[in-house]
Amino acid sequence: GAGVSQSPSNKVTEKGKDVELRCDPISGHTALYWYRQRLGQGLEFLIYFQGNSAPDKSGLPSDRFSAERTGESVSTLTIQRTQQEDSAVYLCASRSGNSIYNEQFFGPGTRLTVL
Amino acid sequence: SQQGEEDPQALSIQEGENATMNCSYKTSINNLQWYRQNSGRGLVHLILIRSNEREKHSGRLRVTLDTSKKSSSLLITASRAADTASYFCATDRVNTDKLIFGTGTRLQVFP
Repeated sequence: GAGVSQSPSNKVTEKGKDVELRCDPISGHTALYWYRQRLGQGLEFLIYFQGNSAPDKSGLPSDRFSAERTGESVSTLTIQRTQQEDSAVYLCASRSGNSIYNEQFFGPGTRLTVL
Repeated sequence: SQQGEEDPQALSIQEGENATMNCSYKTSINNLQWYRQNSGRGLVHLILIRSNEREKHSGRLRVTLDTSKKSSSLLITASRAADTASYFCATDRVNTDKLIFGTGTRLQVFP
């Protein structure tokens, strides 16, 4: 298909609610990454999936954050009991194979606003 | 915390001028990549330089890498207003499979 897609593009929620963000990677890409970007800042690594291996969750900021990926397809990032500091753009990227020299392709992101 | 640090944080130039952005990092790397971001959304890959390379060109882009100083530079020649964006370096560290992004340089090119 085309590129990496993410939905929704924008999400406004109230503090304390749960949210689910979705990422559709490029077909055939085995690696998938989630990043968080606060306003005016760089990207913060959250979690990494590679094929059927156990995900690298080392970047998740708290146990309110979790992510799943079904096989080598869609991934969802869930934030429970959202806080105002969770407001950010959440970016997903996919990469072909497991070569460290392959570039990451990014989705357009989901802008999350927690009121 | 971010491994990469870009400088300057912001850069404003006139069309036609060259823009140079620098990136420093702290640990050994497999490769270093530069990405561009428009309007705080998705990033676009620009160029990748491997740890055993010292310089690489792609169109108007020139990237250098000095592993002894743990630094890289991105040069955009003959800049255009359309080059206005944020530019990030990202390092793919040895024995890891994830990119660590810097804080970015915001480039403004005035027509």
